[in-house]
Amino acid sequence: SQQGEEDPQALSIQEGENATMNCSYKTSINNLQWYRQNSGRGLVHLILIRSNEREKHSGRLRVTLDTSKKSSSLLITASRAADTASYFCATVEVYTNAGKSTFGDGTTLTVKP
Amino acid sequence: DTGVSQDPRHKITKRGQNVTFRCDPISEHNRLYWYRQTLGQGPEFLTYFQNEAQLEKSRLLSDRFSAERPKGSFSTLEIQRTEQGDSAMYLCASSLGSSNEKLFFGSGTQLSVL
Repeated sequence: SQQGEEDPQALSIQEGENATMNCSYKTSINNLQWYRQNSGRGLVHLILIRSNEREKHSGRLRVTLDTSKKSSSLLITASRAADTASYFCATVEVYTNAGKSTFGDGTTLTVKP
Repeated sequence: DTGVSQDPRHKITKRGQNVTFRCDPISEHNRLYWYRQTLGQGPEFLTYFQNEAQLEKSRLLSDRFSAERPKGSFSTLEIQRTEQGDSAMYLCASSLGSSNEKLFFGSGTQLSVL
């Protein structure tokens, strides 16, 4: 099974509202990353948070990481219709020598104009 | 465009045929990954290269799948004797090579096996 699990599976909000997505994982990690994917396209990296960090910001994105609970959240503030996409968390495990990222099944976000 | 490019974008084939996909990573990236993604799921790791060496291959990957990266540049993924269950989006990604580096993805090759 996948390492990360996102919650909720789908989220629908109005433009201007905030969107929060959660990710839980199973093993010890080096870092956790969030990616975005528009329908039929490849994934685009959004933000990386290392295991010794608790919070990180990038523009309208805020990511938190709680290694004791093995969970992370992605907050998108003041959402726009263009934020409509699927969002995936990906983890790099401590004991992998490949830097291989393991992805969850994603949250599909719909932002209504 | 200096991003990751994949070719073809779409491939339709009949069951039992062989198919080959190509990935051109960002030129200075020495790590290259292949992932497979089906509808509603996240990308699933298939294999990874450090330069020309294939260093890890998913245990879920059958012997019908083979990947190469000659000279550590572009990579090819071949599927022999395709099955309907192989229908998926095949994604290639590259990175600079540290475990903390982000992945840069191509747009993928959508495979449909009839």
